[in-house]
Amino acid sequence: DGGITQSPKYLFRKEGQNVTLSCEQNLNHDAMYWYRQDPGQGLRLIYYSQIVNDFQKGDIAEGYSVSREKKESFPLTVTSAQKNPTAFYLCASSPPQGLGGYTFGSGTRLTVV
Amino acid sequence: GQNIDQPTEMTATEGAIVQINCTYQTSGFNGLFWYQQHAGEAPTFLSYNVLDGLEEKGRFSSFLSRSKGYSYLLLKELQMKDSASYLCAVRDRSTNAGKSTFGDGTTLTVKP
Repeated sequence: DGGITQSPKYLFRKEGQNVTLSCEQNLNHDAMYWYRQDPGQGLRLIYYSQIVNDFQKGDIAEGYSVSREKKESFPLTVTSAQKNPTAFYLCASSPPQGLGGYTFGSGTRLTVV
Repeated sequence: GQNIDQPTEMTATEGAIVQINCTYQTSGFNGLFWYQQHAGEAPTFLSYNVLDGLEEKGRFSSFLSRSKGYSYLLLKELQMKDSASYLCAVRDRSTNAGKSTFGDGTTLTVKP
């Protein structure tokens, strides 16, 4: 079955440490996205990518970085510059426009310790 | 940019009908989406409107009026498992990336 796999499910980060969240999809979707969700709030866009080797900043890109070297993979790095990283991180992909909504991965819950 | 408003919380009774409203202001509209999110889980896609009118999918229907910047999600024959957060999202037309802006969600509690 096609879908999106995020790992790890839970991640603990020490102050000043960079961590990378994995996102892999086998849906053959060109577009992929990273969102952040804080308790009681909606999703805020961090980065998105329309195609391999191209990506764009979303609304809250500061302190994050991404790469898109393969169509299937869109990892997100949370750097030490992100001052409040504790949140639920969701990766998504979408079919060509007009063909439906996002498919989400199961999410990574990041906590600073 | 996009500005999306939806009620924070709603309560309804099992077997009843509930309507969750969403209003939006946008600089470029290319579709409105509804997602369901159970506590602690990722959202799942429910419905999609790009033209005015009603889209029906089983117990769930979604309506769109682009001139009024308004949508609603209608849930019929409510079941306990429908207790969840419902997210309204608007897709941006400014790029071909299909990126969406989300509202803060409406938490629906279904009571016996």
